[in-house]
Amino acid sequence: DVVMTQSPLSLPVTLGQPASISCRSSQSLVFHDGNTYLNWFHQRPGQSPRRLIYKVSNRDSGVPDRFSGSGSGTDFTLKISRVEAEDVGVYYCMHGTHWPPTDTFGQGTKLEIK
Amino acid sequence: QVHLVQSGAEVKKPGSSVKVSCKFSGGTFNSYTIIWVRQAPGQGLEWMGGIIPLFRTINYAQKFQGRVTISADESTTTAYMELSGLRSEDTAVYYCARAEGDYWGQGTLVTVSS
Repeated sequence: DVVMTQSPLSLPVTLGQPASISCRSSQSLVFHDGNTYLNWFHQRPGQSPRRLIYKVSNRDSGVPDRFSGSGSGTDFTLKISRVEAEDVGVYYCMHGTHWPPTDTFGQGTKLEIK
Repeated sequence: QVHLVQSGAEVKKPGSSVKVSCKFSGGTFNSYTIIWVRQAPGQGLEWMGGIIPLFRTINYAQKFQGRVTISADESTTTAYMELSGLRSEDTAVYYCARAEGDYWGQGTLVTVSS
C-alpha cells in the first residue's frame, strides 16, 4: 500500500504570511499515462472536503491564485502565498495513482491563525 | 454540474447495519468511479472502498473487508454503502465522492450507540 505522510500536522500562521505543507508518498505517484495524480483538499469544520489542486499543480475553478501546488515523484508541496482568515481548516493530500487507494489520504494538516 | 446527494443521518444500535445512499446527477453515472470515505469525530479522512459501475468493479479497504458492501443501481444512478456489525468506533460522517475528488456528497452522520 502507498502511505501518504504530511508535515507539519499543525501549522499556526500569521495573517498575510506564507504557509507550506509537505506531502510525501511511499511510492512514486507517476501513473503509466505519465500523469501524477496528487490532489490537495481543504476542509472546514462541518463541511465536505473541497479539492483545491489536482494533478500536482492545477488549481480548481474558483480557487484563489495564492494557492499553488508543486512537486514530483514522491515529494509534493502545497503553498499559500499570503494566508487569509478563510484559509483556516485542515488540508489533506490524496493520491489517485494506485488502485485500490487504501491509504490514499495524508493525515491532514491543521492550519490556524496565530 | 455533477451533484451527489446522500441520505440522512442515522442512529444505530451496536451490532446492527446501516445503508447509506448517494444519488448521482448531472453526469454519466457509469463512467465515474464512486468512492466512500469516512471521518470519525476529530479525525482524518479514511478511504473505505470504491465502485466503477461501468465495469461492476468494487474494491474495499482491507480494514473493512467482510463488513462493508458497496453497490450501485444504474437505473436510479445511486450508489450505496452498507456497513454491518456496527460498533461505537464506526460513529463517523460517511462521504461519497467521485474518485477524482472533485465532487463530494454532503456527508451522512452515522451514530452507533446503545
